[in-house]
Amino acid sequence: QVQLVQSGAEVKETGASVKISCKTSGYGFTNYYIHWVRQAPGQGLEWMGIIRVGADKTENVQKFQGRVTMTRDTSTSTVYMELSSLRSEDTAVYFCAREFPETFNFDYWGQGTLVTVSS
Amino acid sequence: EIVLTQSPGTLSLSPGERATLSCRASQSLSNRYLAWYQQKPGQAPRLIMYATSTRATGIPDRFSGSGSGTDFTLTISRLEPEDFAVYYCQQYGYSYSSYSYIFGQGTKLEIK
Repeated sequence: QVQLVQSGAEVKETGASVKISCKTSGYGFTNYYIHWVRQAPGQGLEWMGIIRVGADKTENVQKFQGRVTMTRDTSTSTVYMELSSLRSEDTAVYFCAREFPETFNFDYWGQGTLVTVSS
Repeated sequence: EIVLTQSPGTLSLSPGERATLSCRASQSLSNRYLAWYQQKPGQAPRLIMYATSTRATGIPDRFSGSGSGTDFTLTISRLEPEDFAVYYCQQYGYSYSSYSYIFGQGTKLEIK
């Protein structure tokens, strides 16, 4: 069965970086896109960016330009999202989610990774 | 940038009642691009509906979606206890050489 399993919770200081993993299984890794979506405490969902796994091409929301790096490792079917220069407002649960190309929706999600940024 | 506005913010209903959730886009979009998700506390969102009116795998037929242009609706015909959750609409857009996957702010469906 399809699974997206994310790495565990992180506590970081302001200005640091965090790298979250999303290990996938149960489907053709390079045939899908992986997105990153975050949710601040008590808030809604915010799309951050996409990695087109097969082509290894990424795109992210302008507000994260220069701070977000998305990579993939085809040998382990894992996608990574690194967020740098952390601020308190980056405290959130970060989700990875899968999209079959050009369907424009997310059919499977990881369980979420809580990142807490403290000073 | 397209903005999705969901209403109401909170909907209080009883099991067995009908729920109607609205999602309004700031500009017209293709039906292909509109999806709905259900999220329960402490869980990841779950895809409920895609391409406006196609139920995702395993979603019961009491859920239905409709709409076009700028106005979209998710209807739950007879609420079950497990349906009480937060619902988000989501759309895809492409403008100024960039992609966006926008979410509405959510509608909380609570037990009355």
